Amino acid sequence: GENVEQHPSTLSVQEGDSAVIKCTYSDSASNYFPWYKQELGKRPQLIIDIRSNVGEKKDQRIAVTLNKTAKHFSLHITETQPEDSAVYFCAASMAGTASKLTFGTGTRLQVTL
Amino acid sequence: DGGITQSPKYLFRKEGQNVTLSCEQNLNHDAMYWYRQDPGQGLRLIYYSQIVNDFQKGDIAEGYSVSREKKESFPLTVTSAQKNPTAFYLCASSNHRGPQETQYFGPGTRLLVL
Repeated sequence: GENVEQHPSTLSVQEGDSAVIKCTYSDSASNYFPWYKQELGKRPQLIIDIRSNVGEKKDQRIAVTLNKTAKHFSLHITETQPEDSAVYFCAASMAGTASKLTFGTGTRLQVTL
Repeated sequence: DGGITQSPKYLFRKEGQNVTLSCEQNLNHDAMYWYRQDPGQGLRLIYYSQIVNDFQKGDIAEGYSVSREKKESFPLTVTSAQKNPTAFYLCASSNHRGPQETQYFGPGTRLLVL
């Protein structure tokens, strides 16, 4: 089955700096890659996703890049703010196994003042 | 995702007891899912259902059971066969049965063993 690895497990940045979280996946058939943000004790919420027919997608301070050849995708957060502090999860969906997402183990992002 | 509710927020299980976690959605979504989240780990799929009266095992189905008698509801039973049930349980739903559809999560149920 699909395997998703996520790095780093923890990340501390100063307010205003950029943060990058990287994920790799194993199954070349995967074609959907969402990113979720989870605040402490809360539900995961989708922040951005990318499909395999594009290499990059941006939404204000958040961007995701996808390299299908290398089977990795990354989340980029620019101009970080304290409210960006949370756990971020990447996930991948295998085509043909409808909607079955495989999640990475999460990155705890801490934005310090 | 405000249309997905889970109850209770906290649940305590005694040794040898079965407990049932509720998940309801009013989003008219076809597909529903149950995940387990342990500290420091990602979400692991327990069961999922793409249509009423049908469901499939996920990666960690042992010790759990589900039913899907109504489109809106997908309850999860944690049986006594699940030896390490303490975790945060998340229900999710999505609009289509096929791949690449956004999953929206409920607020979760935290299960603790007495």
